[in-house]
Amino acid sequence: QKEVEQNSGPLSVPEGAIASLNCTYSDRGSQSFFWYRQYSGKSPELIMSIYSNGDKEDGRFTAQLNKASQYVSLLIRDSQPSDSATYLCAVRGGGSGGSNYKLTFGKGTLLTVNP
Amino acid sequence: EAGVAQSPRYKIIEKRQSVAFWCNPISGHATLYWYQQILGQGPKLLIQFQNNGVVDDSQLPKDRFSAERLKGVDSTLKIQPAKLEDSAVYLCASTPGLANYNEQFFGPGTRLTVL
Repeated sequence: QKEVEQNSGPLSVPEGAIASLNCTYSDRGSQSFFWYRQYSGKSPELIMSIYSNGDKEDGRFTAQLNKASQYVSLLIRDSQPSDSATYLCAVRGGGSGGSNYKLTFGKGTLLTVNP
Repeated sequence: EAGVAQSPRYKIIEKRQSVAFWCNPISGHATLYWYQQILGQGPKLLIQFQNNGVVDDSQLPKDRFSAERLKGVDSTLKIQPAKLEDSAVYLCASTPGLANYNEQFFGPGTRLTVL
């Protein structure tokens, strides 16, 4: 059973601070890693994807991947109240077989940015 | 481009009753996913279709849940009979294909309450 673990939070940061969200995964064969944001009562939306070790930056968001440690993180710089949401880590396997391409989601971390 | 459509948006039923949800994916998307998201948890994949064939239904409770995508376009998920623990949001998502996609596009979801 492939598992994706996240701190459930809630994580509370002041406006303008850096929010750090962490995720670990159990399947060493995982190839693709995603961060989805989910506002209360809404469906998930993709904010970052990362496929190779290292950092990937997109605006205020930075995803970090360390496959050896089976760890992926998301940093949000200059946090805004509008960033308050649940952040879901999702992992996709690789190799042949259609079922290997399915996403496994963590439980999500609730982030609150206080004005 | 129209997004993933789902209906109904909300449904309240008594336990042991039946219920059906409908999903129409983004035009041209061959792969369709049904997820169950219980409050406070991440989405859990119930079933994955590629065109009109099932790729993965390993987490579908087959004694009460069924799903079909007969013409490879829209899909229906049914629960019969419903239990209290089926109360959740049922999300439908689609992608162009099984592999090499960056983002799963989610519909607005159907919130099911079983009393």
